[in-house]
Amino acid sequence: QSVLTQPPSASGTPGQRVTISCSGSSSNIGSNTVNWYQQLPGTAPKLLMYINNQRPSGVPDRFSGSKSGTSASLAISGLQSEDEADYYCATWDDSLNGWVFGGGTKLTVL
Amino acid sequence: EVQLVESGGGLVKPGGSLRLSCAASGFTFSSYGMNWVRQAPGKGLEWVSSISFSSSYIYYSDSLKGRFTISRDNAKNSLYLQMNSLRAEDTAVYYCARDSDRFDYWGQGTLVTVSS
Repeated sequence: QSVLTQPPSASGTPGQRVTISCSGSSSNIGSNTVNWYQQLPGTAPKLLMYINNQRPSGVPDRFSGSKSGTSASLAISGLQSEDEADYYCATWDDSLNGWVFGGGTKLTVL
Repeated sequence: EVQLVESGGGLVKPGGSLRLSCAASGFTFSSYGMNWVRQAPGKGLEWVSSISFSSSYIYYSDSLKGRFTISRDNAKNSLYLQMNSLRAEDTAVYYCARDSDRFDYWGQGTLVTVSS
């Protein structure tokens, strides 16, 4: 069981907007910023979003992030086939003294 | 260009040991914390361990129960993970990742298989 809770799957058609949620607690999301990672099939994870809503250089502005209380979310607008991947949220947990990940959400572009 | 290259993975019997290495280049290694993250086959990401830039602060996942040791050699731009008393559930791809309060660069991973 992951410390952070994500839906196992999400889907959408090209051009649609999809949102992936990430739920935690006061010791992790409630106290720290959230990062998101994208893992394309067969590849290493890649940083997609940091400090809740900051995009690294090269990440399209179709991707956006937000955080409220003990939850965070990743939104992808104008969905494209190349967005089909696994998405993970992560943050530091003050009680565990370690990084924690969500279980991952597999995004399917129909 | 930042590069992280893991090595040292392979097949090991239960109870055995393995030492993973991560060679870093393209940045000032001694200025960054580093991490190990693993991914069991078909599963999600699991953080394993973190080490600060000077090795002053080290953290481990509780699930490891003291079997793994992280270390680094800033003179060699290298990160290590000594894994002892390996179990079948340690089978995974092990990634090293640079720490900037997020894992901003990842290696390609090295596969560790624990099986008799």
